[in-house]
Amino acid sequence: NAGVTQTPKFQVLKTGQSMTLQCAQDMNHNSMYWYRQDPGMGLRLIYYSASEGTTDKGEVPNGYNVSRLNKREFSLRLESAAPSQTSVYFCASRRVLGDQPQHFGDGTRLSIL
Amino acid sequence: AQKITQTQPGMFVQEKEAVTLDCTYDTSDQSYGLFWYKQPSSGEMIFLIYQGSYDEQNATEGRYSLNFQKARKSANLVISASQLGDSAMYFCAMREGGNYQLIWGAGTKLIIKP
Repeated sequence: NAGVTQTPKFQVLKTGQSMTLQCAQDMNHNSMYWYRQDPGMGLRLIYYSASEGTTDKGEVPNGYNVSRLNKREFSLRLESAAPSQTSVYFCASRRVLGDQPQHFGDGTRLSIL
Repeated sequence: AQKITQTQPGMFVQEKEAVTLDCTYDTSDQSYGLFWYKQPSSGEMIFLIYQGSYDEQNATEGRYSLNFQKARKSANLVISASQLGDSAMYFCAMREGGNYQLIWGAGTKLIIKP
């Protein structure tokens, strides 16, 4: 079972470059999420999509854009990467039925030089 | 104010002992959910256990149980008979009201000693 698949797993960018992180889930989940995790901190929500066709800002949306391409796919774009965006990025999804847990991808480790 | 507080940045525990990881939360909503996740050194986030605010019984999943004390707003994770493979970061998270997103604590790093 693939679950939530993130690509790429690792990436190094130069300041000012753009990049799109891809996320796809095969669990027929309605909601999808993008988080960043910095050392010594918990997860911080960047953007989420409650259902196909909707997206909303989370706690730290500045410098990012998202696209919910279809029910399966939710991408995160850095238009002009900055060193402060060096982090581990996680995509998650969940079924919207009661309090279902979020299921996570393995993460993308992104370094911006 | 912190919505989710995990007061133990790190813990060392002897193998086979029971472990309690603390989590306190702050919400004025009557409906909320509490989640615990494990993050091993390999990096993935693994869901462990869930407690709903209206659940009268403490949640249990194998060696994991959740000590839910609603009046004290605490939702501590208890791991019985700890194993070396339990060494990981543990995160507490809360869903408030009708929100779709979770609020996360900073985590506790648990190291099990042989």
